[in-house]
Amino acid sequence: DVKVTQSSRYLVKRTGEKVFLECVQDMDHENMFWYRQDPGLGLRLIYFSYDVKMKEKGDIPEGYSVSREKKERFSLILESASTNQTSMYLCASSLAGHLYSPLHFGNGTRLTVT
Amino acid sequence: DQQVKQNSPSLSVQEGRISILNCDYTNSMFDYFLWYKKYPAEGPTFLISISSIKDKNEDGRFTVFLNKSAKHLSLHIVPSQPGDSAVYFCAASGDPRDDKIIFGKGTRLHILP
Repeated sequence: DVKVTQSSRYLVKRTGEKVFLECVQDMDHENMFWYRQDPGLGLRLIYFSYDVKMKEKGDIPEGYSVSREKKERFSLILESASTNQTSMYLCASSLAGHLYSPLHFGNGTRLTVT
Repeated sequence: DQQVKQNSPSLSVQEGRISILNCDYTNSMFDYFLWYKKYPAEGPTFLISISSIKDKNEDGRFTVFLNKSAKHLSLHIVPSQPGDSAVYFCAASGDPRDDKIIFGKGTRLHILP
């Protein structure tokens, strides 16, 4: 069974802090994704990566960056946290050729920025 | 512009009856459609999918129907059970110009006892 693990379930950070959200998958998946979920807005793609050291912007990349130094790990970085980044953050992975491969999600990190 | 639309934010269904969740899409290049289920404080889990070469896919109590001419798909759950209460996301992919899975905003399903 695919396991996608997000390092924190809940985080509270202050405005202006640099925040790191970590995600690890154990199924040797090539593709990894970061989404945020907000009420009434569904799942919105922030960044994704098809391979180590590769990254692509999603629909809402502003204020975020990512790092993929190893295949199993994909980190989301909030360079300077703001209150509008309070959200549920979801990491996912899938096999290569992801157009036809379901995403496997972690349990999410609920981030509150005060 | 929303490419995947779930126009019902919520739906309530009596236990034992059929639940029908609807989804519309605008991009005719989509050729693979998925449904995900999400409980509070958990990540979405993959439920069922369908490719555009089919018009129906069934897996136990879950059936997805695809009407390509109408750009519409639906998820049928029968019979509905209390554990089906969750948020359901419709998703689509296959546009080679934009290699991503696009999600709808979700429909919250409440199964009433």
